[in-house]
Amino acid sequence: NAGVTQTPKFRILKIGQSMTLQCTQDMNHNYMYWYRQDPGMGLKLIYYSVGAGITDKGEVPNGYNVSRSTTEDFPLRLELAAPSQTSVYFCASTEDRGTYSNQPQHFGDGTRLSIL
Amino acid sequence: AQKVTQAQTEISVVEKEDVTLDCVYETRDTTYYLFWYKQPPSGELVFLIRRNSFDEQNEISGRYSWNFQKSTSSFNFTITASQVVDSAVYFCALSEARGQGAQKLVFGQGTRLTINP
Repeated sequence: NAGVTQTPKFRILKIGQSMTLQCTQDMNHNYMYWYRQDPGMGLKLIYYSVGAGITDKGEVPNGYNVSRSTTEDFPLRLELAAPSQTSVYFCASTEDRGTYSNQPQHFGDGTRLSIL
Repeated sequence: AQKVTQAQTEISVVEKEDVTLDCVYETRDTTYYLFWYKQPPSGELVFLIRRNSFDEQNEISGRYSWNFQKSTSSFNFTITASQVVDSAVYFCALSEARGQGAQKLVFGQGTRLTINP
C-alpha cells in the first residue's frame, strides 16, 4: 500500500517555464489537497478536491491550476513559473467517513521545487 | 478568519527533559478540529493527534500528551522524557468542521524541536 505518491521529488525550473506536479493515491480517498510550504513556515492550502471532477481554491491558488479526472490522481499545474513559487509542495488525501468526520490527512513526501 | 499561532520558533533541550510546545488558535466556529503533525528531518508529515472542539479531555499516548483548553484557545503538546528521535518540526493545525468532510487545514508556523544527547 503506497499511500500518497508525489513525483518528482526535486525539480529546478527556469522563470516562465511550466510543469505539472503529479500526485496519486491508492487509498480510494475522495478528498485530495495541495499545499505549499515556504522555508520556516507552515503549510498553506493551494487547491483541494472533494471528488473526481470537483475542485476548489484554497488560500493561495494564484499561479496554479488543478484537475481531478479520476479518484486516484490530482495533478498540480504551474504555468509561467515565478521565483515566488519556489517551495516544497505537499499533496494529501483524506478518507470520507461521512458528515463532519474530519479524518486526518495523509501526506505525500513532497516535491521540492526551485525556480531560478 | 482562522489562525494558528505557535509562538516558539525553536526549542532546544537535553535528552530526557520534558518539553511543551504551545499552540494558540483563533476561530469563530463553535465546531472545529485541532491537529498536531510531526515533520522529521526527512521532510514527510506524520499525523500525531486529532481533537474535536467538543472533547476537552486531555490525551496521553506513551511519552506524548496533549492539553486542550477552550477557555484559553490552546492545544499544547508535551513530550515527557524527550529522546533524540523526537527532534523535528512540529505543526499545530486547525480546521472547521465541514459538513461534506473536506477540510481546509490552517497550519501554524511550526516549532523546531532539537533534542541534544
